Amino acid sequence: QKEVEQDPGPLSVPEGAIVSLNCTYSNSAFQYFMWYRQYSRKGPELLMYTYSSGNKEDGRFTAQVDKSSKYISLFIRDSQPSDSATYLCAMRQASKLTFGTGTRLQVTL
Amino acid sequence: EAGVTQFPSHSVIEKGQTVTLRCDPISGHDNLYWYRRVMGKEIKFLLHFVKESKQDESGMPNNRFLAERTGGTYSTLKVQPAELEDSGVYFCASSQDYPSYGYTFGSGTRLTVV
Repeated sequence: QKEVEQDPGPLSVPEGAIVSLNCTYSNSAFQYFMWYRQYSRKGPELLMYTYSSGNKEDGRFTAQVDKSSKYISLFIRDSQPSDSATYLCAMRQASKLTFGTGTRLQVTL
Repeated sequence: EAGVTQFPSHSVIEKGQTVTLRCDPISGHDNLYWYRRVMGKEIKFLLHFVKESKQDESGMPNNRFLAERTGGTYSTLKVQPAELEDSGVYFCASSQDYPSYGYTFGSGTRLTVV
C-alpha cells in the first residue's frame, strides 16, 4: 500500500469552476502537508503548506487538512486556463517529502 | 536570485554507461536534496545533504548511485553502470533552513537509458 494516494485524473473543468483535489495518507508520522504545482518540463513549485488540521487560504487557493481522517484537499476557486498543470500533494516527515502521483488538471475556455 | 539549476536537462545513454548529473542549489542554501520520478510513479526521495555531509541517504536505490557535494556547494549524482530502470526525471531541490516547509526544486534532468 502506498503511503500517499492521489487520483491521477486527468481532470477537465471549464474556466471559472471550483476545483477540488484530494489525497489520502496512511502514515501518522507525517508532520507537514503541502501542495505543489508542476508545469510540463518544469520542477514542482510550492503552492501551499500547512501543519495542522483545518483550512488555510491564499488567494484563490484553500488547503484543507483532516488529520483524523488522514485526508487533505486543495480547492481552487475561479479556475483559470493558467491553472492547467499537474498538482502534487506532498507530506513531510523529518527531511523527506513523500509525494502523491499527481493529478493532471486542464482548465478549458 | 537564481533558482536551482540542473545540468544537463536531458541525457540519453546506453545501458552500462556512466552518467553524471549536476545540481547547483540556490546560493547560501545548506540543504540539498535529490529526488527521482520514474515513469508512471510518484516522485521519490533519494538523499539529503547538509552542506557537504550526507544527512539521509536512505532513498538511494543501490550502490550504482553515488552522490557527492564537495565544498558544500554544487552536487553531483553519478550512475555507474546505468540500467534501463534508472530512466526517469531526477530533481534536485534546496532549502536554507532545516526543517523547511518547502523546498525550491530545479527543472530536473530527464535521463533515458537505452
